[in-house]
Amino acid sequence: DAGVIQSPRHEVTEMGQEVTLRCKPISGHDYLFWYRQTMMRGLELLIYFNNNVPIDDSGMPEDRFSAKMPNASFSTLKIQPSEPRDSAVYFCASRAATNEKLFFGSGTQLSVL
Amino acid sequence: EDQVTQSPEALRLQEGESSSLNCSYTVSGLRGLFWYRQDPGKGPEFLFTLYSAGEEKEKERLKATLTKKESFLHITAPKPEDSATYLCAVPGGSNYKLTFGKGTLLTVNP
Repeated sequence: DAGVIQSPRHEVTEMGQEVTLRCKPISGHDYLFWYRQTMMRGLELLIYFNNNVPIDDSGMPEDRFSAKMPNASFSTLKIQPSEPRDSAVYFCASRAATNEKLFFGSGTQLSVL
Repeated sequence: EDQVTQSPEALRLQEGESSSLNCSYTVSGLRGLFWYRQDPGKGPEFLFTLYSAGEEKEKERLKATLTKKESFLHITAPKPEDSATYLCAVPGGSNYKLTFGKGTLLTVNP
């Protein structure tokens, strides 16, 4: 298995632009998570899905952030409009319901200028 | 609010010099404590899960232990390839919602 696949690996954009991050979870995993990592706040959970349905989005910082999971093999995290304080590494992770192991992708390094 | 605190923030060891990393937590009704390893430019990678006080798990030079208030990650005779950030996490409101500590950056010099 290729693991959790995220794209792009790096994204540099200007303030006010729309940013879309993409994730392909491991096949057969029931749960998908979006995390954000910064030096100041560490790794924070933004939202997670179960069987493509959003379960908890209480970590989404603002209405500028939205996430979708149209099918079991694809999810997006969108920021519109982006701001410099959104600069961080965004990780997607997935797991099976029957296994506590969380598998992370390699992340997207986002820089908003 | 559930909290996870890791110490030290950074630790530098010589190859072969054993030490321990600490993870203290405040959570009502612990439903597991997780250890992950993160290499630069990569996502965290699962190491261990501990569920009850007194439980221990080992993997190569790493041994994780758990008490009612904290967990330790013991590193015996570390090698440079053990250099990484080590993160601990506990489930929050649901078993699927992990709260992570900020990690300990371990550097092992040859």
